[in-house]
Amino acid sequence: NAGVMQNPRHLVRRRGQEARLRCSPMKGHSHVYWYRQLPEEGLKFMVYLQKENIIDESGMPKERFSAEFPKEGPSILRIQQVVRGDSAAYFCASSPTGRDTQYFGPGTRLTVL
Amino acid sequence: SQQGEEDPQALSIQEGENATMNCSYKTSINNLQWYRQNSGRGLVHLILIRSNEREKHSGRLRVTLDTSKKSSSLLITASRAADTASYFCGLEDQGAQKLVFGQGTRLTINP
Repeated sequence: NAGVMQNPRHLVRRRGQEARLRCSPMKGHSHVYWYRQLPEEGLKFMVYLQKENIIDESGMPKERFSAEFPKEGPSILRIQQVVRGDSAAYFCASSPTGRDTQYFGPGTRLTVL
Repeated sequence: SQQGEEDPQALSIQEGENATMNCSYKTSINNLQWYRQNSGRGLVHLILIRSNEREKHSGRLRVTLDTSKKSSSLLITASRAADTASYFCGLEDQGAQKLVFGQGTRLTINP
């Protein structure tokens, strides 16, 4: 059973471009969470999704950020018009139910030039 | 709102010694999950302890939870160089299904 997959592992964007981060949960997991980690800090929750539904987006910035988890395919975190402050590691986690261990992927390290 | 805080922020010990890290929180939780993160890598799940549990073991790891004091501890016995990493506690609030993390404890095991 493969773990949580994220791609790309590293992403470089120039200011104003769009960044698309992908997350494939573990097989059988229908709950996906996105977190952001700044250097030397802990992870901060962004959004929690189940298939085709956003359950909790209380940690998402109001503008430029969006997330989806379609019926088929991976979950996508989209950042439009990136700025330098968006540079961070973005982690995806999945769980089989909503109150269970969250298994994390290796992360996508976004660098905005 | 929920806040987690790990203590100490950094810990350096000799190989073979035991390492203890603590996690305190503000509001009632559903469960608490300990993770390890090596530099530049993702989080590896160690142990989940639920609010109605007081202690759990996994190999060289022992986790305790005291809900009256709103605190948890992670004990690593007979430490090894490979245990060098940052350790985080993730708090799942009652009524919410997201994890709240502190800034972690950076553990260094000296050979």
